[in-house]
Amino acid sequence: DTGVSQNPRHKITKRGQNVTFRCDPISEHNRLYWYRQTLGQGPEFLTYFQNEAQLEKSRLLSDRFSAERPKGSFSTLEIQRTEQGDSAMYLCASSSLPGRTGGTGEKLFFGSGTQLSVL
Amino acid sequence: AQRVTQPEKLLSVFKGAPVELKCNYSYSGSPELFWYVQYSRQRLQLLLRHISRESIKGFTADLNKGETSFHLKKPFAQEEDSAMYYCAPNTNAGKSTFGDGTTLTVKP
Repeated sequence: DTGVSQNPRHKITKRGQNVTFRCDPISEHNRLYWYRQTLGQGPEFLTYFQNEAQLEKSRLLSDRFSAERPKGSFSTLEIQRTEQGDSAMYLCASSSLPGRTGGTGEKLFFGSGTQLSVL
Repeated sequence: AQRVTQPEKLLSVFKGAPVELKCNYSYSGSPELFWYVQYSRQRLQLLLRHISRESIKGFTADLNKGETSFHLKKPFAQEEDSAMYYCAPNTNAGKSTFGDGTTLTVKP
């Protein structure tokens, strides 16, 4: 297993276009997270899945954003009608439920991210 | 609201000097505390978690529940420690909340 994989690495698009990103988590991980990171800030939570169920969405996730994890494996994040303010690094992370690794919190394994530039 | 404060955006020390990266948090419940690190051109990765109480790459972090702090320390910094460091509380309720990070530069 090579870890969490994200595609594409870079995406340049024109304002108003739709874009879709893909994340392949570590195979035995049942939780998958999407974060967004802009320059000078830490990752901001967008949404997460436990298996195929989307359990929480941030208020940062406007109705132009949609995420899916249809079979509880890979996930896609789609942004419709992109705006310049959507330009950011989109990070995916996966984890296994606590208990397998000990402790109450979750150790996150991150992908390399997809850098989105909206022109 | 959950909040994580890393007061230093930039921190610069000389090789061999001690280093401390500060983290203060405001969090409901009893979070577990993590430090993540991002080296140049690499992905974000876990450095250490407070529950393990271990030293990773010479770094340690002590959780102070009274002061709600989780400062990261290393007695003798090395050039390869230069990186971006993020403090991140997490509960079993789902998401981690990340601070805005501290860029550590260790000068030769």
